[in-house]
Amino acid sequence: DQQVKQNSPSLSVQEGRISILNCDYTNSMFDYFLWYKKYPAEGPTFLISISSIKDKNEDGRFTVFLNKSAKHLSLHIVPSQPGDSAVYFCATQTNSGYALNFGKGTSLLVTP
Amino acid sequence: KAGVTQTPRYLIKTRGQQVTLSCSPISGHRSVSWYQQTPGQGLQFLFEYFSETQRNKGNFPGRFSGRQFSNSRSEMNVSTLELGDSALYLCASRKLGTSYEQYFGPGTRLTVT
Repeated sequence: DQQVKQNSPSLSVQEGRISILNCDYTNSMFDYFLWYKKYPAEGPTFLISISSIKDKNEDGRFTVFLNKSAKHLSLHIVPSQPGDSAVYFCATQTNSGYALNFGKGTSLLVTP
Repeated sequence: KAGVTQTPRYLIKTRGQQVTLSCSPISGHRSVSWYQQTPGQGLQFLFEYFSETQRNKGNFPGRFSGRQFSNSRSEMNVSTLELGDSALYLCASRKLGTSYEQYFGPGTRLTVT
C-alpha cells in the first residue's frame, strides 16, 4: 500500500520558470517531510524538509509547502535551472521511527 | 566533511550466493539505515541501526540482515540471492538528536544472474 504518492511521473519546465512538484500522503501520523533530488547512478541528495507544525519552509530557490488537511506537500523551484533536471522524491517520517517512506519520484526536465 | 561511502559500487553475483555490502557514515553520525531501490517498487526501507542495535525493520524477508560496529560503520548481508534482489542498495546516515535528515551514499548496484 503506497503511503506516499507522486502522481506525476515527469514534468518539463522552461529555464527561468517555476517548477512545482507535488506529493500526497495517506497517513496523518507523519511528522516530518523531506524532498530529495537524485541523478542516475548516484544516491539521493537531501534538498529541504518541513515539520508538521509548519506550513512553509524556504531555502534559496526551493520552497516546500505543507497542507496537512489535504495531506499534500509541494516543492517549488524558482527560478528553474537546467542543472535542476533530475528525479525528485518526496519522503515522510514519523517521530517514533526514522524510516523514510518514499514516493515513486517525479522526473524534472528543465529546458534552456 | 566526507560523505557517506559505500563499497563496493558494483557487484555481480549468481543466484543462491550471498553478498555483504559495506557502509561508512558521515563522521559524527551514529544512525545508519539501508534502503533498496528497484524500478518496480521504488525506494524501500530495509532497516536502521544505531548503537550497534537494529532499531527498526522494513518488510523484507529474513535473508536480509545487517549489523553495525562500534565505529558506526555498517554492513548488510543478503543470503541465498534471488534474481529479484537485483537493485541499487543505498545506505543513509543520520545525526542523532533532533535531526531528521538522512544523507545517502552513492549506493551499491547489485546484479544477480
